[in-house]
Amino acid sequence: DQQVKQNSPSLSVQEGRISILNCDYTNSMFDYFLWYKKYPAEGPTFLISISSIKDKNEDGRFTVFLNKSAKHLSLHIVPSQPGDSAVYFCAASRYGGSQGNLIFGKGTKLSVKP
Amino acid sequence: EPEVTQTPSHQVTQMGQEVILRCVPISNHLYFYWYRQILGQKVEFLVSFYNNEISEKSEIFDDQFSVERPDGSNFTLKIRSTKLEDSAMYFCASSGDTNTEAFFGQGTRLTVV
Repeated sequence: DQQVKQNSPSLSVQEGRISILNCDYTNSMFDYFLWYKKYPAEGPTFLISISSIKDKNEDGRFTVFLNKSAKHLSLHIVPSQPGDSAVYFCAASRYGGSQGNLIFGKGTKLSVKP
Repeated sequence: EPEVTQTPSHQVTQMGQEVILRCVPISNHLYFYWYRQILGQKVEFLVSFYNNEISEKSEIFDDQFSVERPDGSNFTLKIRSTKLEDSAMYFCASSGDTNTEAFFGQGTRLTVV
């Protein structure tokens, strides 16, 4: 039962262009969404989050958009840089982000080519 | 910058043996978690711990698993009798209070042979 789905296992983007990573969820009880970035042999690193009461949150080159009616969120990275190459995980929580467990998607491997 | 640290980085154990994975969460954090990632699969929640007790656990976290915060700094995951399918990366995480992100350690790779 995949409550959080990342349907694209990989994405390749040219340096300087926009990277758009997508995530869908099925559980309407989720109220907090997060994006994590993961390099091989390291733990996930928090990137950006959004509460369900918002539809957009921006932090530097990273913007997360939430469409509650479609149960869809996306992460935009612009401009993309080679150092952004990593696996990106979408995660969702029912308890405001930290009290409960995070449900992760399977991840999307982003490759940013110079 | 404060970070979550995990030891050891790699543990190899015989099937049926007990293992203890150790974590030092960020010092002022209140919520502690264990997750695991089997090779090629997604990161899965195991257990959350708050106020010296388990607050939530997944179906994976059966009677073979236990967690403990033996002192003010360490947070441990014990697997009583390891099985081959317990082989995975185990991540510890901690967070401060509500609506804050969880910070993850670098993981312990457990290999059961």
